[in-house]
Amino acid sequence: QVHLEESGGGVVQPGGSLRLSCAASGFTSSNYDMHWVRQAPGKGLEWVTFIRYDGSYEYYADSVKGRFTISRDNSKNTLYLQMNSLRPEDTAVYYCAKEAFFRGEGGGHYFDCWGQGTLVTVSS
Amino acid sequence: DIVMTQSPDSLAVSLGERATIKCKSSQSVLYSSNNKNYLAWYQQRPGQPPKLLIYWASTRESGVPDRFSGSGSGTDFTLTISSLQAEDVAVYYCQQHYTTPLTFGGGTKVEIK
Repeated sequence: QVHLEESGGGVVQPGGSLRLSCAASGFTSSNYDMHWVRQAPGKGLEWVTFIRYDGSYEYYADSVKGRFTISRDNSKNTLYLQMNSLRPEDTAVYYCAKEAFFRGEGGGHYFDCWGQGTLVTVSS
Repeated sequence: DIVMTQSPDSLAVSLGERATIKCKSSQSVLYSSNNKNYLAWYQQRPGQPPKLLIYWASTRESGVPDRFSGSGSGTDFTLTISSLQAEDVAVYYCQQHYTTPLTFGGGTKVEIK
C-alpha cells in the first residue's frame, strides 16, 4: 500500500531553518516526481515545489524561491525540504505528495497520494 | 500563473440532493496535442489530507464513488455530487495540472442542510 509520512515540523523563530522529511513506502519512489504542498491554518492549498523522479530538475513557487530547497535520496525512499530564512507567512501544514504518472510521463502534475502532513510554525 | 477561481465559497445541500461546484481557470488548460483538460478535483475532509477524486477534468480516480463526476473544457469546469451523502461533507479544491506553477482554487465547503 502506498504510504507517505512526513516528519520534522515544529516551532521555529523568524529567520530560522528547518528540514522536513517524507518517507515513502509501498512503491518505488525513484520512479515518481514528488511534490510539497502547504496549507496555512484555515486556508487553502498552495503548491510549493517539485523534484523530478531522478532528481535532475526542480521547480519552486515564487513565494519560496531562493529560501527552500527540495531534494531526494532514492536509495532511502525519502524526500526532503530544506527551509531557510523562514517567515511567519510560511506557517502551515506541509504535505508531501506523489505524482500520479510513472516518471512524469504524459499527464501533467496531479497527486494520487498525500501524506498526513507536518505542521511548521514560524513565530517568535 | 494560471489563477483558479471556485464558486461558491460554501454551499449547504440536503442529503440525497445534488451539489454543484464551479471552477474557472484564467487561461485554457486544454492540451491540444491530446485533447485533454488538465484539471483535477480533490476532497479534503476535516483533519485529513486531500484525496484525489477526478483528473483530466472528468476521469474518476479508482475507488471514487460514481456519484462524483467532473465536466467542462477549456476554462470552465464543474464537479457534481449527484446525491449528497453524510461522508461527503468536506472542502473541495480544483487544481490545474497543465503547467507550473501548479495552482489550486480557493476551495468550496460543502455542508448538510
